[in-house]
Amino acid sequence: DADVTQTPRNRITKTGKRIMLECSQTKGHDRMYWYRQDPGLGLRLIYYSFDVKDINKGEISDGYSVSRQAQAKFSLSLESAIPNQTALYFCATSAGAYEQYFGPGTRLTVT
Amino acid sequence: AQKVTQAQTEISVVEKEDVTLDCVYETRDTTYYLFWYKQPPSGELVFLIRRNSFDEQNEISGRYSWNFQKSTSSFNFTITASQVVDSAVYFCALSKRNYGQNFVFGPGTRLSVLP
Repeated sequence: DADVTQTPRNRITKTGKRIMLECSQTKGHDRMYWYRQDPGLGLRLIYYSFDVKDINKGEISDGYSVSRQAQAKFSLSLESAIPNQTALYFCATSAGAYEQYFGPGTRLTVT
Repeated sequence: AQKVTQAQTEISVVEKEDVTLDCVYETRDTTYYLFWYKQPPSGELVFLIRRNSFDEQNEISGRYSWNFQKSTSSFNFTITASQVVDSAVYFCALSKRNYGQNFVFGPGTRLSVLP
């Protein structure tokens, strides 16, 4: 089984809808991250969490919220989806400042 | 502020050629980590290597090698005898060692290896 899983893998939703992307990890890592990837723009950090009680905004947090339900679970919510949130979303985990391990990604389309 | 630059947006080579992907970074920290990731067409992000800022030894893993030069703030990646399966987007990244709030990625270099 994969160490970092994301659900759903693909999602099409309409403008204004609330949507949640979920991430789970079995690596036992303390840190978890959410990124979005847009063509030609690389990876941009949305939110990160160093432990269950620590949540921090990344460079593009507007329009997103997160919840760290447990050490192993970190979910990303779009309260009211808009078309420019169409992107590939990745969850990642790390042990401290070491390398991050990524989930398979969620392809989100907002129509 | 930390920054990673990958000046090569796209590179095309013919199979069996050697290719070097450039990475230049900026940081005020004296202790940090550098990384390379591979993103093949299937989309997943695969970790390739981590380098500690205190360790400037070059590393070789099969056809892959990495050249870390602190004096020029560069961490370049060379693929020897490239293969079609090497076609991917490659990302260089930087993190602070002691309090890794910033894990900064470069914009990526798209490598196409043609048969």
